[in-house]
Amino acid sequence: GENVEQHPSTLSVQEGDSAVIKCTYSDSASNYFPWYKQELGKGPQLIIDIRSNVGEKKDQRIAVTLNKTAKHFSLHITETQPEDSAVYFCAASSPDTDKLIFGTGTRLQVFP
Amino acid sequence: DTEVTQTPKHLVMGMTNKKSLKCEQHMGHRAMYWYKQKAKKPPELMFVYSYEKLSINESVPSRFSPECPNSSLLNLHLHALQPEDSALYLCASSQLQTSGVIGTQYFGPGTRLTVL
Repeated sequence: GENVEQHPSTLSVQEGDSAVIKCTYSDSASNYFPWYKQELGKGPQLIIDIRSNVGEKKDQRIAVTLNKTAKHFSLHITETQPEDSAVYFCAASSPDTDKLIFGTGTRLQVFP
Repeated sequence: DTEVTQTPKHLVMGMTNKKSLKCEQHMGHRAMYWYKQKAKKPPELMFVYSYEKLSINESVPSRFSPECPNSSLLNLHLHALQPEDSALYLCASSQLQTSGVIGTQYFGPGTRLTVL
């Protein structure tokens, strides 16, 4: 079955700097890769997702890149703000399943 | 509107109690999910409903009993739980798969369950 690894487990940046979180997946057939942000005491919130037919997607300060050959995808946050502080989860899904396989999470802290 | 609502927000129950968690969405999604999340861990899939029928049960103990009364509602009935079942229980919903690609899942805020 699919396995997703996520790094780093914690990330501290200064406000205004960029943050990058990386995930690798094992099933080369996986075709959907969402990223979720989870603040303390709340449910995961979808922030961006990418499907396997594109290599990059951008939404304001957030971008996701996908390298299908290397089986990895990354989340890039530019001009970080304190409100970006949260736990971020990547996930992957294989075709014809209703399952999301989550990475282990990255705790991002943005210091003012 | 991408809102999934869950009630209650918090629940404390004894090991002999029977309680239910409720989830509701009005996005017209025909797939609904229950996840369990322990502290500092990712969500762990428990059940999936498609067209109000149970399609995936991830070998969850029978003390957890899901129910999907209609396309907007999802319940999780709890009975004889153990302290290790204490966790955040998350509901999610999505469109059904299209061309073999899973629908985007939207999560509710969760119910924080404590079993004494």
